[in-house]
Amino acid sequence: EVQVVESGGGLVQPGGSLRLSCEASGFPFHNYGMNWVRQAPGRGLEWISFISSDSSIIYYTDSVKGRFTVSRDNAQNSMSLEMSGLRDDDTAVFFCAREMAFCSSNTCYHYYGMDVWGQGTTVTVSS
Amino acid sequence: IQLTQSPSSLSASVGDRVTITCRASQGMSSSLAWYQQKPGRAPKLLIYGTSTLQSGVPSRFRGRGSGTDFNLTISSLQPEDFATYYCQHLNTNELTFGGGTKVDI
Repeated sequence: EVQVVESGGGLVQPGGSLRLSCEASGFPFHNYGMNWVRQAPGRGLEWISFISSDSSIIYYTDSVKGRFTVSRDNAQNSMSLEMSGLRDDDTAVFFCAREMAFCSSNTCYHYYGMDVWGQGTTVTVSS
Repeated sequence: IQLTQSPSSLSASVGDRVTITCRASQGMSSSLAWYQQKPGRAPKLLIYGTSTLQSGVPSRFRGRGSGTDFNLTISSLQPEDFATYYCQHLNTNELTFGGGTKVDI
């Protein structure tokens, strides 16, 4: 079965750090780009980060630049999101999602959308 | 690029034709995706490349548009279609979502 499973969420104090993981199975992980998307309680979806299949291209939404770091280990079929300097407004369900993106030089072309999603892991930032 | 969905919510009945609009703040040369999300569930990809139906998605869903104006149409609303729908800009370095449209009974 093709799936991705997030873990690592929890309660953290403002200013604290947390590491989320995304474990993939059932497909050739090294062929796919991966994304993190979050959803604050009662709010819409917010894309936060993309990492290309070989980790050569990474980008973030402005609100997390300098605080979040995405990485992946293709040998372990996993992706991580290191979060630091957490704020109250980072409270959300965090999803990882697979994407077939075509990357060349310093650019990735997104066309196929995010077709496999995990069920999410909840991060609560509160004192 | 900002994506504005309208309406933000709508009420409809089974069998209705429903159209959701996604307007970009500037003209887009890149494509759009549409997702469906039910409460407590992960989003589900419906359409990519602006108009291509994802495998397994019923043909009553249709995506169209170009430039700044895009839409998702459900030709005949079914009970399982009551959900929130999001558009997403598939740009080269930013994959922005629209604010969502909730479709309820």
